[in-house]
Parts: sequence; structure tokens; C-alpha cells
Amino acid sequence: EPEVTQTPSHQVTQMGQEVILRCVPISNHLYFYWYRQILGQKVEFLVSFYNNEISEKSEIFDDQFSVERPDGSNFTLKIRSTKLEDSAMYFCASSEVGMYQPQHFGDGTRLSIL
Amino acid sequence: KNQVEQSPQSLIILEGKNCTLQCNYTVSPFSNLRWYKQDTGRGPVSLTIMTFSENTKSNGRYTATLDADTKQSSLHITASQLSDSASYICVVSARNAGNMLTFGGGTRLMVKP
Repeated sequence: EPEVTQTPSHQVTQMGQEVILRCVPISNHLYFYWYRQILGQKVEFLVSFYNNEISEKSEIFDDQFSVERPDGSNFTLKIRSTKLEDSAMYFCASSEVGMYQPQHFGDGTRLSIL
Repeated sequence: KNQVEQSPQSLIILEGKNCTLQCNYTVSPFSNLRWYKQDTGRGPVSLTIMTFSENTKSNGRYTATLDADTKQSSLHITASQLSDSASYICVVSARNAGNMLTFGGGTRLMVKP
């Protein structure tokens, strides 16, 4: 069964540094998403991306965050200047077009900010 | 503000027993409700998706119900197996929010032999 893959599985970064989290969505999916889960808390929506542009974003997704689909297979989340509170598990997901389509999640990247 | 609350927070049952997990939501206007299973260290996996007009949906030993009037849902697990040990997360989408999902905090289920 096709999977969403995320790399790296764990990223350790100094506060203030830029970090890029990478995802390869399922190949025939056209909607892409990023979520985060701070340890012990709920999963939170960050952003959805369709047709090479952001379709929805949450309050969390401020100017420090950006997303990109640099080629036909990768989907990236960049955090420009990381803060301690950015430490979390970041999940990428993808889905087919349609409001009732299941979102398929990767296994996440654990981001630790020192 | 859209919210999803789940109960209980955690549950321990014996293998072979049934259990029911609860979800209450205040998402409006309602579009659909999903149940996800999340194993430790893994991403969530979709179990069911229900729209406003659906009262029940099954996926193997998992049966979800939805009461859109009372804004409640339940997930019933039949004949539990050790591999059912995981967090079960209720997720709701609003009609005016596109594909943005609001997650509950999950119920952590442990199935013991």
C-alpha cells in the first residue's frame, strides 16, 4: 500500500537556525498538509496546499513557516528561525481531492530545538 | 472556537472484550467526523469518515456512530485484540474550513492478555 514518507525521523537544531522538514506524499494525491503535535498535546493543523498554493492555514502558521513543492514528488515545511516552542512532532499528510477523502499521514519528524 | 473532546482519556480492557470510546464536538457548521488510530511513534491511520447524513459506519471490528443533533460520536471496538492497543482520535471538519481538521486529545487504549 502506498505510504507518505517523511525525512528525517528526528532533527535536532539550535534555536534560531532554519530547518527544512521533507515529505514525499502518495503519488496520485493532490492535497498536502502539515500538522504538528507538541508532546502530550493534541495534533494541530498547520497548513494545507493544493495546486501549488496554500489553501488553508492556521494561526500557528505565521511568517516563520513556509511550504513548498519544489518538484513533482517532495513537499517541504521550512521554519526560518526556530524557537524552543517549535519542538514537536511534525506530520505530513496527503489526500485525493474531495472533502470526504481520508488524509494519509506519514510517521512524522520529531523536531528538537536546543 | 471549534473543539473536540474525548472520553475516557485512557482505558484498559482484556483481550476479547468490547469497548466504546466517546467524542463530543462543538465544530460548526459540521461537515464530517473521522476516527483515527495512532500507534505509538507512528502517524494517525484513518478508520472511518462520516458525513452529516450518516449515523453509523463500520470498518472491520470498528463501528463508529454519529448523532449530529447532540454532536456526539462513539467508536465501538468488538472482540479486542492486543494490536488494538493505541490512541484513538476523533477528528472533525467544519464546512467552511476546507480540509482543515480539528483533533481531539484521543483515548489511549491498552488491551491486556
